[in-house]
Amino acid sequence: GAVVSQHPSWVICKSGTSVKIECRSLDFQATTMFWYRQFPKQSLMLMATSNEGSKATYEQGVEKDKFLINHASLTLSTLTVTSAHPEDSSFYICSAPGTGIGVNTEAFFGQGTRLTVV
Amino acid sequence: AQSVTQLGSHVSVSEGALVLLRCNYSSSVPPYLFWYVQYPNQGLQLLLKYTSAATLVKGINGFEAEFKKSETSFHLTKPSAHMRDAAEYFCAVSDPPGAGSYQLTFGKGTKLSVIP
Repeated sequence: GAVVSQHPSWVICKSGTSVKIECRSLDFQATTMFWYRQFPKQSLMLMATSNEGSKATYEQGVEKDKFLINHASLTLSTLTVTSAHPEDSSFYICSAPGTGIGVNTEAFFGQGTRLTVV
Repeated sequence: AQSVTQLGSHVSVSEGALVLLRCNYSSSVPPYLFWYVQYPNQGLQLLLKYTSAATLVKGINGFEAEFKKSETSFHLTKPSAHMRDAAEYFCAVSDPPGAGSYQLTFGKGTKLSVIP
């Protein structure tokens, strides 16, 4: 089945630095990637939708200058948390939607990245 | 607009007992519905999905769910709980193909604890 690989699985960084999270579709092309953020014991909140070849679409309340999204190719989307602060510490998950054709109606999730800003 | 409500943020069952996790949805179009499981510090794994075919859907690990349009529900069940079923479970809804962007809307999740 389709696989989405997300790296790193965890990262600790100092306050004020930037962190890049990569999300790759390994055996299919993903023109769209969804980026979610999950706080402890809470659900997934959609942050933004990245689109290959165009600008990302951010959800209301998400700072686009802080969470930079780049969809460089049909198999790679990156999320960069710039000037990270402790309140950015969270679990970030990427997801590629299914095509909606036939059995491919599900979304495929990366393993998630635990970001801790100290 | 779509929404998902999961009743009960935490459910505890004894090993071998019936598991019932509740999910109600709201959607302006016939939805696609999903149940995902999440283990600590991991991504989401699909358990099962409803895509307008059979209303009773069987998934992995012995789970199943029934789509009831009249009740706008998609409850997840398993006849006999195992210790390994302890995890967080998320119900999600999306638009069907042609009606939206395949974006998922998640419920708040239900943590399942299994008591030995």
